Amino acid sequence: DIQMTQSPSSVSASVGDRVTITCQASQGIGSWLAWYQQKPGKAPELLIYGASTLQSGVPSRFSGSGSGTDFTLTISTLQPEDFATYYCQQANNFPLTFGGGTKVEIK
Amino acid sequence: EVQLVESGGGLIQPGGSLRLSCAASGFTFSSYDMHWVRQATGKGLEWVSGIDPAGETWYPGSVKGRFTISRENAKNSLFLQMNSLRADDTAVYYCARGPHKYCSGSSCSSHFVYWGQGTLVTVSS
Repeated sequence: DIQMTQSPSSVSASVGDRVTITCQASQGIGSWLAWYQQKPGKAPELLIYGASTLQSGVPSRFSGSGSGTDFTLTISTLQPEDFATYYCQQANNFPLTFGGGTKVEIK
Repeated sequence: EVQLVESGGGLIQPGGSLRLSCAASGFTFSSYDMHWVRQATGKGLEWVSGIDPAGETWYPGSVKGRFTISRENAKNSLFLQMNSLRADDTAVYYCARGPHKYCSGSSCSSHFVYWGQGTLVTVSS
C-alpha cells in the first residue's frame, strides 16, 4: 500500500497569511493526487485533483503543485473560512489512501 | 444538483451485520465509479471500497472478505454490506462519487468529487 505522509499535522496562522502544507507519497504516484478540505461535522470537499487542477468553484487562493512523491497545497492569503482540516489522497493505486490530515487553526 | 444520501447506520453488536445504502440523484449514476469512505471520530479518512459502472470492485485489506460493495444502476443506489463487524469499524461512513473520466494514457484518477453527509455506524456491545 502507498503511505501518504502530511506535514505539519497542525499549523497556527492568521488571516492573510500564506500557508503551505506538504504531502509525501511512499512511492511515485505521478500527478495522481487530490486535496480535500473538511470542516467540523461536515463531509470533505474536493479542492484540487491531478495535483494542480482546481475543482470548479474553489477560490484561486488555493493552489497545488508537485509530482512523483512530493506535493504541496498552498493557500496564498488565508481567509476566515479556510480554517479547517486538509487531507491529501493518492488517486491512482488501489487501495486508495489518504494523508493523516493537517489542521489549520487560528493563531 | 448532485445529491448523495446515505442511510442504514446505527448501533450494532460486534460480530453483527449491517447494510448501508446511498441514494444518488442529479447525475447519470450508471456512468460513474462510486466509493465508500469512513472516518472514526476525531480521526482521518479511510477509503473502504469502490465499484465501477460494470460492477468491478476494490477493497483495502482491512475490510476485504467482510465488506461487499454493490450497486443497482436502475435505482440509482449504492450499497455496502458489512459483516463480522468489529469495534474498530465504528465510524461515519460516506458515500462518494468519482470523477468524469480523468485519465492520462492507461491511468485514470480515482478521487472523490461529491460526498454525502454520512451515516454513523457504532459497533459496541
